[in-house]
Amino acid sequence: GEDVEQSLFLSVREGDSSVINCTYTDSSSTYLYWYKQEPGAGLQLLTYIFSNMDMKQDQRLTVLLNKKDKHLSLRIADTQTGDSAIYFCAESIDDYKLSFGAGTTVTVRA
Amino acid sequence: DTAVSQTPKYLVTQMGNDKSIKCEQNLGHDTMYWYKQDSKKFLKIMFSYNNKELIINETVPNRFSPKSPDKAHLNLHINSLELGDSAVYFCASSQVGVGGSTDTQYFGPGTRLTVL
Repeated sequence: GEDVEQSLFLSVREGDSSVINCTYTDSSSTYLYWYKQEPGAGLQLLTYIFSNMDMKQDQRLTVLLNKKDKHLSLRIADTQTGDSAIYFCAESIDDYKLSFGAGTTVTVRA
Repeated sequence: DTAVSQTPKYLVTQMGNDKSIKCEQNLGHDTMYWYKQDSKKFLKIMFSYNNKELIINETVPNRFSPKSPDKAHLNLHINSLELGDSAVYFCASSQVGVGGSTDTQYFGPGTRLTVL
């Protein structure tokens, strides 16, 4: 959406790290999310971060939040072919609404 | 067991027809949503219901009418279908609202609607 921006494409070699970046506009967002969408499937929550945190690590995933710059990133370590998908950044606008970015298509090449 | 299910998975129909997409969740969640994903993968919320009550209606044409017979179901009825309605429609549910809690939204597999 207009409030959340992401780069559209990322190509990465298998085994390398992937970094997907996102900027958002609502400084009052309580939670920020990363969702993954595999071809022909619905969205699956990967991870989320509370707005008072700077970093969150969950196995191969690391989320960094720069609240001052309203910048969120997702790092995937040791990227595998199964990580090829579209990754959506989302911010919580209010109790019932998420605003999604346009999605970053990640392609993992051998 | 499927958490959030939608039927049909594919729907091909003529312009001007009326169609419905059904959504059911067996997670006991209080809140359900409909999203539209266009051909560029842009995902936008259409409606949100909490305990059968409409919470969000995001400037969706009134040809779209959600109906929630109970809190486990949120169906989407579309009148007078137009070419621009072609998209993938996702249903989702969460325990409570997402803004103030860690409760995630669980998404259905999507319904690909093609209007000819």
